[in-house]
Amino acid sequence: GAGVSQSPSNKVTEKGKDVELRCDPISGHTALYWYRQRLGQGLEFLIYFQGNSAPDKSGLPSDRFSAERTGESVSTLTIQRTQQEDSAVYLCASSSGQSETQYFGPGTRLLVL
Amino acid sequence: GQQLNQSPQSMFIQEGEDVSMNCTSSSIFNTWLWYKQEPGEGPVLLIALYKAGELTSNGRLTAQFGITRKDSFLNISASIPSDVGIYFCAGQRPYGAGSYQLTFGKGTKLSVIP
Repeated sequence: GAGVSQSPSNKVTEKGKDVELRCDPISGHTALYWYRQRLGQGLEFLIYFQGNSAPDKSGLPSDRFSAERTGESVSTLTIQRTQQEDSAVYLCASSSGQSETQYFGPGTRLLVL
Repeated sequence: GQQLNQSPQSMFIQEGEDVSMNCTSSSIFNTWLWYKQEPGEGPVLLIALYKAGELTSNGRLTAQFGITRKDSFLNISASIPSDVGIYFCAGQRPYGAGSYQLTFGKGTKLSVIP
């Protein structure tokens, strides 16, 4: 596609429910990154994929958070048993092997009630 | 996680004024980046700096990579209403194999009064 896309754009859920956030990177981009942005804050790194493997998961806040990537394309970030502090914008970015520039999607705004 | 120290947090300026913001870190970075984020959008790269001491311009934007590799500043000259947004600095280090780790500042929210 033309850019990185994410879905849903907005998600409201109840505390304790699981949510899945999807990222479609730019076609052919080998690296994919997930970030979390709390209100009024900068971006916190969560996890990155090189191909389908995740060499660095150090940013995942707890074991309730997991992510996978398949076909060196789509990635899903899953948050289990959501808590109110999980409310944030979740941003995905991708980059090609030839250029280090990370291109960001528009984000998924998650609100946990 | 680690974040860079970015200041100021917010700015209200008159259209036509110049703007300056900066970032500092306790760690060295190979590359400094400046992004702009508008409401409802992801950050968009404005300027990338690759060498200590480098001064780079992109239109009305000028950024510098500090000599110590631990700081950077961004200047916007003759601000216009469409400059409104949140500006983020980011330090970059390579993971290897064509992927890179970004550490972001908390952002500078710019408001331009027409």
